[in-house]
Amino acid sequence: GESVGLHLPTLSVQEGDNSIINCAYSNSASDYFIWYKQESGKGPQFIIDIRSNMDKRQGQRVTVLLNKTVKHLSLQIAATQPGDSAVYFCAGTVNSGYALNFGKGTSLLVTP
Amino acid sequence: DTEVTQTPKHLVMGMTNKKSLKCEQHMGHRAMYWYKQKAKKPPELMFVYSYEKLSINESVPSRFSPECPNSSLLNLHLHALQPEDSALYLCASSQFYRGSGNSPLHFGNGTRLTVT
Repeated sequence: GESVGLHLPTLSVQEGDNSIINCAYSNSASDYFIWYKQESGKGPQFIIDIRSNMDKRQGQRVTVLLNKTVKHLSLQIAATQPGDSAVYFCAGTVNSGYALNFGKGTSLLVTP
Repeated sequence: DTEVTQTPKHLVMGMTNKKSLKCEQHMGHRAMYWYKQKAKKPPELMFVYSYEKLSINESVPSRFSPECPNSSLLNLHLHALQPEDSALYLCASSQFYRGSGNSPLHFGNGTRLTVT
């Protein structure tokens, strides 16, 4: 099955800086990836998704990069704000369905 | 506010109790999911319903019994749980279960379950 993991458990950045959160996956058959943000006491919140036929997708202040050659995914957050402090999960699909396997998560702390 | 509503927000139950968790969505989604999340861990898939039929059971113990009465509702019936079943139970929905488009899961805020 899919194995999705993150390189760093915690990331601390200063307000206004850019943040980069990384994720590696093992199943080359995975074709759909999503980044979620989870704040304390809440469910995962959709940030951005990308299909394997793309290598980059941009949203508002966020960019997801996909490198299928090395099976690596990253989330870039521009001008990080205190409200961005949360745990970020990457997730990938299993067996062509939309059921997701989640990576371990990175805790992002934004300091003033 | 999330478009997937879960009730109750918190639940404390004894090991001999029977309780149910409820989930509702009105986005017209045809796939619904139950995930379990332990503290400081990622969500783990438990069940998937597609068009009100059970499509995936991730080898979940029978003390957890899912039910999908209609396309908007998803229940999780609990019976004879163990303290290690204490966790955040998350419900999610997506437009479809399979496809080639982009159909992200939308999550509720979960039910925090404590088994005593």
